[in-house]
Parts: sequence; C-alpha cells; structure tokens
Amino acid sequence: NAGVTQTPKFQVLKTGQSMTLQCAQDMNHNSMYWYRQDPGMGLRLIYYSASEGTTDKGEVPNGYNVSRLNKREFSLRLESAAPSQTSVYFCASGRQGNTIYFGEGSWLTVV
Amino acid sequence: AQSVTQLDSQVPVFEEAPVELRCNYSSSVSVYLFWYVQYPNQGLQLLLKYLSGSTLVKGINGFEAEFNKSQTSFHLRKPSVHISDTAEYFCAVSEPGGSYIPTFGRGTSLIVHP
Repeated sequence: NAGVTQTPKFQVLKTGQSMTLQCAQDMNHNSMYWYRQDPGMGLRLIYYSASEGTTDKGEVPNGYNVSRLNKREFSLRLESAAPSQTSVYFCASGRQGNTIYFGEGSWLTVV
Repeated sequence: AQSVTQLDSQVPVFEEAPVELRCNYSSSVSVYLFWYVQYPNQGLQLLLKYLSGSTLVKGINGFEAEFNKSQTSFHLRKPSVHISDTAEYFCAVSEPGGSYIPTFGRGTSLIVHP
C-alpha cells in the first residue's frame, strides 16, 4: 500500500550543485503536486501537473523545473541549488478538487 | 483568488480539555474545505473534508469541523484531546470548477500538555 513515494528522504547539496527529487504514485491520480514547507510559511506550491503531459507553475517556481514523466511519476529538479532552497519538499497526488495524498517528505539542505 | 487564514499559530492545551482550531477562508465561489494533520517528520494526512451536504463534518481521531458559509469559517474541534494529538494542523480550500488546486493555511501547532 505505497501511495506516494518520494526519494531521497535526506540530501545535502553544495551551492550550485544540481539534483532531482523523484516522486511516484500508485493511485492512478491525474493530478500531482510539489510543495515546499518552511517554518511559519505553511505549504507553498512550486509546480503542479493536472494531467500527464501538462505542468504549470505554482506560487514559488523560480529555481525549479519539473517533468511529468508519465501518469505515475512527477520529478522536481534543482538546476543550481541555493541556500534559500533549503526546505522540506513534499510530493502529493489527487483527483481534482478532492483529497490529496502526500509523500513522507524530502529534507534538503543547501550549504 | 482563494486564501486561507489560520488565526492561531500555536494552541497549547491540557490533556482531556476541549480544543478549537480556527480557520477562515476567502473565495468568491463555492468551496471544498479540508483539514490535514502532520505528525513530526511525516507527511500530511487527511483529517476530514467538506464537499457538500451536512455542514457538520466528522473525521478521524474524534475530530469534527463545521462549515459556516456566512462567516466563511471551517473551525476544527475536539471535545477531549490526548497527548497523541500533538501535531501541526493545516486548513485547506479548493474551488470546484476552478483550478482545483488546494491552498493551504500556514498551520496551527497543537501542543497537548499532560
């Protein structure tokens, strides 16, 4: 009963390095999301994908890119990491307007 | 555009006492409303949701919430809290017929003291 699986769980990057956060869901959901969570800021939407083949910017897209590889997978890429991107990242999936299901989170530190 | 305000960033309470976590939203259209809970070092999970119908919604772990359209509120309540209810609680709103993307509040930290 996997639900939403994201990897890696922890990562430390140096400023300027690149990395990709992977996310996969097994619930046949059309919509997938990437959020970041920072203290006192709640969850802020980075990018979302309403369906396979489409992606759109959210509230805080700068410095990130995404790929909806297929219906199951939605990856988030940091091309040149900055300390301001130190955060906890959550992938989520759901059906339009209804409950969304979250992964366990990825803790990223950029030094 | 929709928005969510959680009026308290932190709510301390003693075990077995009642608690209310407040949530107000703004939207020009009808809404779906959600409460999620996040335990330490975990992802968010759904507590309860309002899509339509009865304005009093019951969720898991003894929580309930009431949708009040005139006051644009969706406050979360529990009559008697337990230590294990200590967590971060997020209110969220989405607009059916719109983008459907949920907007989250900044969260309320519920701290239950023995």
